[in-house]
Amino acid sequence: GQQLNQSPQSMFIQEGEDVSMNCTSSSIFNTWLWYKQDPGEGPVLLIALYKAGELTSNGRLTAQFGITRKDSFLNISASIPSDVGIYFCAGQLNKGGSYIPTFGRGTSLIVHP
Amino acid sequence: SAVISQKPSRDICQRGTSLTIQCQVDSQVTMMFWYRQQPGQSLTLIATANQGSEATYESGFVIDKFPISRPNLTFSTLTVSNMSPEDSSIYLCSVAPELGFEAFFGQGTRLTVV
Repeated sequence: GQQLNQSPQSMFIQEGEDVSMNCTSSSIFNTWLWYKQDPGEGPVLLIALYKAGELTSNGRLTAQFGITRKDSFLNISASIPSDVGIYFCAGQLNKGGSYIPTFGRGTSLIVHP
Repeated sequence: SAVISQKPSRDICQRGTSLTIQCQVDSQVTMMFWYRQQPGQSLTLIATANQGSEATYESGFVIDKFPISRPNLTFSTLTVSNMSPEDSSIYLCSVAPELGFEAFFGQGTRLTVV
C-alpha cells in the first residue's frame, strides 16, 4: 500500500524562526492535506491542496503540492509559542474507490519563547 | 467545514468491559471514519462507517472487537468491546462531506483501560 514519509520527526526551535517540514510518497496522490493536532484534541485541517504545483497560504503557513504528486511541504514563518503541536500530512488518491487519506507519522514542533 | 461532536471526551474503564463512543455531525456527510491513535503515534484507520450497511474494516480490526453503527448520514457509534489495557488510546471520529474532499475530525475520546 501507499506509504508516507514525513520529516523531520521532531523540531525544537526558537520563537521567530521559520519551520519547514515535508512528506514524500512512494506513489502519487491527487490531494495533499496538512493537519495540526494540539494536545488532547483532534487534528485540525490547516491547508488542502488539490493540484500538482499548487502553492497555498493560510496566514503564516504555506504549503505546496509537489509537481510529481509524490510530495508536499509545509512552511511556518516567524513561529510563535502557539504553533506548538503535532503536524500531520495526509495524501488522498481520490479515484478507484480510494477516498481515504493516508497519514504521515507526524512532526512534533516545540517552540521555545 | 462540518462540526463534529464526539462523546465522551475521555473515560477510564475496567478491563473486560465495553465502551460506546458517539459521533454526531451537524450536517449530512458522505463518509464517516473511525481512527485509533496510540500514544505518540500517527492515526490508524479502524474502519469506514457505511450508512445502512456493515462497516468496512481495515486489516487488523474486526467487527466483534469494534462494532460500528451508522443509522443515518449524521451519526455513528464505535464500541470498544472486552477492553484490555492495550486498547488505551485516543479514538477519533472523522467525516468527509463528499467523496474526494478533505476530512475533518472530532476532538477525540481518550480511553484508559485499567
